[in-house]
Amino acid sequence: EAQVTQNPRYLITVTGKKLTVTCSQNMNHEYMSWYRQDPGLGLRQIYYSMNVEVTDKGDVPEGYKVSRKEKRNFPLILESPSPNQTSLYFCASSAGTGAGANVLTFGAGSRLTVL
Amino acid sequence: DAKTTQPTSMDCAEGRAANLPCNHSTISGNEYVYWYRQIHSQGPQYIIHGLKNNETNEMASLIITEDRKSSTLILPHATLRDTAVYYCITSGTYKYIFGTGTRLKVLA
Repeated sequence: EAQVTQNPRYLITVTGKKLTVTCSQNMNHEYMSWYRQDPGLGLRQIYYSMNVEVTDKGDVPEGYKVSRKEKRNFPLILESPSPNQTSLYFCASSAGTGAGANVLTFGAGSRLTVL
Repeated sequence: DAKTTQPTSMDCAEGRAANLPCNHSTISGNEYVYWYRQIHSQGPQYIIHGLKNNETNEMASLIITEDRKSSTLILPHATLRDTAVYYCITSGTYKYIFGTGTRLKVLA
């Protein structure tokens, strides 16, 4: 089944303890991206990647890092999490050729709480 | 800031057509219009997209005005399972701005 898989789905952590949220897709998609969703603010793009080793900032990249060493994986790294990063996170991917439509497939989400 | 404007919420009677409007007056020539929906806190689900022409698939129809400054998503026979937040997005590149969408409630 074609899908985007995120782990963990739920995580409670403490301020300053580094964590990584993994994202993997099995559709050979070029494009991957991360979003966070907070009440009243909709989904906001954190980072995106057009291909292996090519990443760029979205609208809210502060406090996050990403890497794209393999086509299928796009982990989101919080080096020193803070309570304002408590949120629901979504990973998405698409064929992303850069021309034409770019339909996103989303993961199920990762709910992160930073105490 | 979101590049699209949608009503915050709408109600629709079960079995009737749900018409969800979206204003995207600053859309540029190479940007597509996409619609997604999110049920509770699940990952958003793709519904339909279009560039200039009206489009229809098994889920919905998309009507885009001739000047492309607005569009309407039509769910022809809404069911209770269509209750969700619907997002209208325009994008021609790799950046997507989702906005806060329209909360559609289908009433029995």
